[in-house]
Amino acid sequence: GNSVTQMEGPVTLSEEAFLTINCTYTATGYPSLFWYVQYPGEGLQLLLKATKADDKGSNKGFEATYRKETTSFHLEKGSVQVSDSAVYFCALSVLSGGSNYKLTFGKGTLLTVNP
Amino acid sequence: GAVVSQHPSRVICKSGTSVKIECRSLDFQATTMFWYRQFPKQSLMLMATSNEGSKATYEQGVEKDKFLINHASLTLSTLTVTSAHPEDSSFYICSASGGRLEQYFGPGTRLTVT
Repeated sequence: GNSVTQMEGPVTLSEEAFLTINCTYTATGYPSLFWYVQYPGEGLQLLLKATKADDKGSNKGFEATYRKETTSFHLEKGSVQVSDSAVYFCALSVLSGGSNYKLTFGKGTLLTVNP
Repeated sequence: GAVVSQHPSRVICKSGTSVKIECRSLDFQATTMFWYRQFPKQSLMLMATSNEGSKATYEQGVEKDKFLINHASLTLSTLTVTSAHPEDSSFYICSASGGRLEQYFGPGTRLTVT
């Protein structure tokens, strides 16, 4: 089956620190990979994605590279801000049932950035 | 673009009553909608997938008679929690897809059953 494993939090950093949140996956077929962010009390927002090996997704200073050889999609940011405090979910998507793309999520990592 | 709304954002109901949650795609046609459930400090659990005009496909362990899903149009899907009980209290999130890879998520509905 499909599964996503991401590092457990919570992660607490000071502003301008470097962030890495590890994510590895197992999948049948060739998945697309995503990072979603959830701010308190809200739904999920797509942060970035990559659809094939060696693709790098990037947005708002965050980056992640699709590494097929290590089945990983680690999230990085060089300098975090207080506003980055949120829960981050790694996810994969594969075609299911012939026509639907179903997302499988990791458990989420709570990031708190202190001033 | 790609905005998905949910209504209500919060609802409190008494045990034994039914609650309907709406999910709307505001600026695109959603051929597929997904319903998720999220427990506190946990990940999203896919409950069911619905294609417009078809019966929903439920994930293993999800009671289809308890969580009724209707996807009657390309912009609206509803989730009805029937005979709700306190253990049904949760954060319910929908997402919508226009038939392509990406899903766009609604802001979620907090259900509390007393």
